[in-house]
Amino acid sequence: GAVVSQHPSWVICKSGTSVKIECRSLDFQATTMFWYRQFPKQSLMLMATSNEGSKATYEQGVEKDKFLINHASLTLSTLTVTSAHPEDSSFYICSALSVSSYEQYFGPGTRLTVT
Amino acid sequence: RKEVEQDPGPFNVPEGATVAFNCTYSNSASQSFFWYRQDCRKEPKLLMSVYSSGNEDGRFTAQLNRASQYISLLIRDSKLSDSATYLCAVISNFGNEKLTFGTGTRLTIIP
Repeated sequence: GAVVSQHPSWVICKSGTSVKIECRSLDFQATTMFWYRQFPKQSLMLMATSNEGSKATYEQGVEKDKFLINHASLTLSTLTVTSAHPEDSSFYICSALSVSSYEQYFGPGTRLTVT
Repeated sequence: RKEVEQDPGPFNVPEGATVAFNCTYSNSASQSFFWYRQDCRKEPKLLMSVYSSGNEDGRFTAQLNRASQYISLLIRDSKLSDSATYLCAVISNFGNEKLTFGTGTRLTIIP
């Protein structure tokens, strides 16, 4: 149990386009999901906290208009990178907080490359 | 000062050796502590939570020192499969489950 999926697992897009990444908790409900970004040889940096039915909370320095987050249900959160640029190329990972066990489970990550 | 700091390594140790990592945190009010393992190009996986009394899981032992604000991870009888990056993580605020990660320590076990 406690599986989190992300889709797509990798994506290559052109500069200026938008990319949507989905994070799903497959067998549990998650009122809270977290979005992280990891650059090569660096740690995971929290971008935002996604709460079901309300606005996301962004960390300092993260542009909310560029990284749009929607958490429309207890099992799905989406991150849309708008007008992507090469510097947005990174490994994006979500985690979901189980409402029953209160543990966090990580998705497998999405590798974004912007050309 | 970073909220969570780790020696990035790399640590290259022979198979069968014992290796220890430390991780320091700056917020004395931090509530929960974890060690994660991350393989190359994969998501982090929870290795173990760290409790005040210390805890052991097979070859892995984790300890917390609140006075000095650090947590440690000890790996005994290291295996080739232990090669990975080990990340410590801290939840600083009660009721807020945001994890703050260290930069990770790269471990390579040499046959």
